[in-house]
Amino acid sequence: NFMLTQPHSVSESPGKTVTISCTRRSGSIASNYVQWYQQRPGSAPTIVIYEDNQRPSGVPDRFSGSIDSSSKSASLTISGLKTEDEADYYCQSYGVFGTGTKVTVL
Amino acid sequence: EVQLVESGGGSVQPGGSLRLSCAASGFTFSNYWMHWVRQAPGKGLVWVSRINIDGSSTYYADSVKGRFTVSRDNAKNTLYLQMNSLRAEDTAVYYCARPLGDSGYDFGYWGQGTLVTVSS
Repeated sequence: NFMLTQPHSVSESPGKTVTISCTRRSGSIASNYVQWYQQRPGSAPTIVIYEDNQRPSGVPDRFSGSIDSSSKSASLTISGLKTEDEADYYCQSYGVFGTGTKVTVL
Repeated sequence: EVQLVESGGGSVQPGGSLRLSCAASGFTFSNYWMHWVRQAPGKGLVWVSRINIDGSSTYYADSVKGRFTVSRDNAKNTLYLQMNSLRAEDTAVYYCARPLGDSGYDFGYWGQGTLVTVSS
C-alpha cells in the first residue's frame, strides 16, 4: 500500500490563494484518480474535487485541482480565500486518504 | 436528494461486537457500490471497506480484515457493517459513503456518521 503526505497546516489571509500538496512517494500519482475533501469541525467530509481536477456541481470555481507526475504530487488550490474555507482538507486516491491539512484563514 | 443515515453506534467492551446500518434514500441503491470510512477522534479519515452492487465482491482495509464484514440488503436500501473482536483502536466515527458515479473509490456522498467507542 502507498501513503499520501500533506502539510499539517497552511494559513493565509482572506482574498489570497493557498495551495495544498499531496505527495505519493510510492508509485505514480497518476495511477489512480485523486479526490479532495473539505471537512469542517463536527461535520462529515464533502467532496470538492474528483478525478484529479473536476469540480462537483455546487463547488465554487475558486477550488481547483491538478496533478504533477514529475513531483509525484497532486495539489488543491483555493483562490480568493473566504473565512468559510477554514477547514481540514484531505486528498484521497483509491483506498488511501492523505494525512490532512488544516487551512486557517487569518 | 441523496441521503445516507447511519445508525447502530454505541459503547462496547474490547472483544465485543456491533452492527452498523446505513439507510439510503434518494437514489437507486442497488446500482451503486458503497463504502465505509472511519475517523478516530481528532484523527484523519481512513477507508474501511467497500461492497459492489450485489454484494458479491467485498474489500477491506488490512486493519479490519477478518474482523469486519460488509453486506447490503438492496430490498431494504440498507448497507451494514458487522464488527467483531472490537479493539480500542476501532474507536471512531463511522461514515457510509457513496461514489459520485455507480462505482469507484471516490466518496461523493456521505452520511452524518455514527460513533463507536470501544472501552472497558
